[in-house]
Amino acid sequence: AQSVTQLGSHVSVSEGALVLLRCNYSSSVPPYLFWYVQYPNQGLQLLLKYTSAATLVKGINGFEAEFKKSETSFHLTKPSAHMSDAAEYFCAVSASSSNTGKLIFGQGTTLQVKP
Amino acid sequence: NAGVMQNPRHLVRRRGQEARLRCSPMKGHSHVYWYRQLPEEGLKFMVYLQKENIIDESGMPKERFSAEFPKEGPSILRIQQVVRGDSAAYFCASSPPATGGYNEQFFGPGTRLTVL
Repeated sequence: AQSVTQLGSHVSVSEGALVLLRCNYSSSVPPYLFWYVQYPNQGLQLLLKYTSAATLVKGINGFEAEFKKSETSFHLTKPSAHMSDAAEYFCAVSASSSNTGKLIFGQGTTLQVKP
Repeated sequence: NAGVMQNPRHLVRRRGQEARLRCSPMKGHSHVYWYRQLPEEGLKFMVYLQKENIIDESGMPKERFSAEFPKEGPSILRIQQVVRGDSAAYFCASSPPATGGYNEQFFGPGTRLTVL
């Protein structure tokens, strides 16, 4: 079984500051890991994904995440926050051995960017 | 290439009525997933369908909920005799046949159901 825990339901940073959103996963098989962003009243947009290739994954809008098996983590970072990054962020896991590909989501983290 | 389309975007129903949510996948996609997002929560998997087949319905409530993905036309999520607890955002995602061992899912804008 898989599960995802996102530490911190709300994160607030100043514009230009480092963004760090935390995600820990639990999986009995090698996982696929994803970060999605959701803007108000919209659907989810894929930021980046880990599918057992490079452990440091670069995504859109300057975001990246590092898969750390020893820590069962997949934290999302961005060196410098922009006002347009304010949104809700979801970490998700899918079992690599699954024949359905269903995603298990964390509770989400709301990112606030202050001017 | 149009994205995943869902309609209606907003749906208001009174308790006891039926709700029908539609999802048109991206062109060339034959897999559809439905997820539900309750207020202040993450998305929860409901059901996974391929054309004319339900593959995994482990997240569907046992009663009042059903889903289909016919050979022609959109996927339908049907909720009978709605209750206030059904108020949520319902998202559809579609994917092409699995590549590289996983199904990349593309999400629609969601249908926000309000039960009065």
